[in-house]
Amino acid sequence: AQSVTQLDSHVSVSEGTPVLLRCNYSSSYSPSLFWYVQHPNKGLQLLLKYTSAATLVKGINGFEAEFKKSETSFHLTKPSAHMSDAAEYFCVVSGQAGTALIFGKGTTLSVSS
Amino acid sequence: KAGVTQTPRYLIKTRGQQVTLSCSPISGHRSVSWYQQTPGQGLQFLFEYFSETQRNKGNFPGRFSGRQFSNSRSEMNVSTLELGDSALYLCASTGEGTDTQYFGPGTRLTVL
Repeated sequence: AQSVTQLDSHVSVSEGTPVLLRCNYSSSYSPSLFWYVQHPNKGLQLLLKYTSAATLVKGINGFEAEFKKSETSFHLTKPSAHMSDAAEYFCVVSGQAGTALIFGKGTTLSVSS
Repeated sequence: KAGVTQTPRYLIKTRGQQVTLSCSPISGHRSVSWYQQTPGQGLQFLFEYFSETQRNKGNFPGRFSGRQFSNSRSEMNVSTLELGDSALYLCASTGEGTDTQYFGPGTRLTVL
């Protein structure tokens, strides 16, 4: 069975400082991994997706994530936080059928000036 | 391309009523998935439709049902509403040959 664990429910950073949102996954096969972002009262926006082409994945808005199979981790990073990055972030693994995405509980990112 | 659209955006119903939510996928996408988002349970998969057939189903009671039309638009229906059905219902569409899902803005359902 597949599962996702987001290690922090809330992360607070200052504007201009790095962001690290941590995610571990469990899967009996090689899944696709995603990060989505949800701003208040909005739907989910795809930030980036890992398949198997490269372990370092670049996404939108300066975010990137590194897949580490030995650690079963897929942490999301950004070198410099912006106020507009404040949102809920979800680490997601694809189900075995390719549909039925499995979501982590989410990490709320707060950015202070 | 236009994104995934969902109607209505907000709904208020009372216990025991039924509700129908609509989702129009990205043009050319034939797969539509539905998810329920609540503060307590997070995001949970409801079901997925492809070419008018339910292809996958989550662990929800039979009060939750859906269908898909020949133009790929999808509806989900919840009968005999309960207070616990209050949630944000999100639909997502997927193109062929990929597992990347693109989400709509959601329908906020409040059950009183």
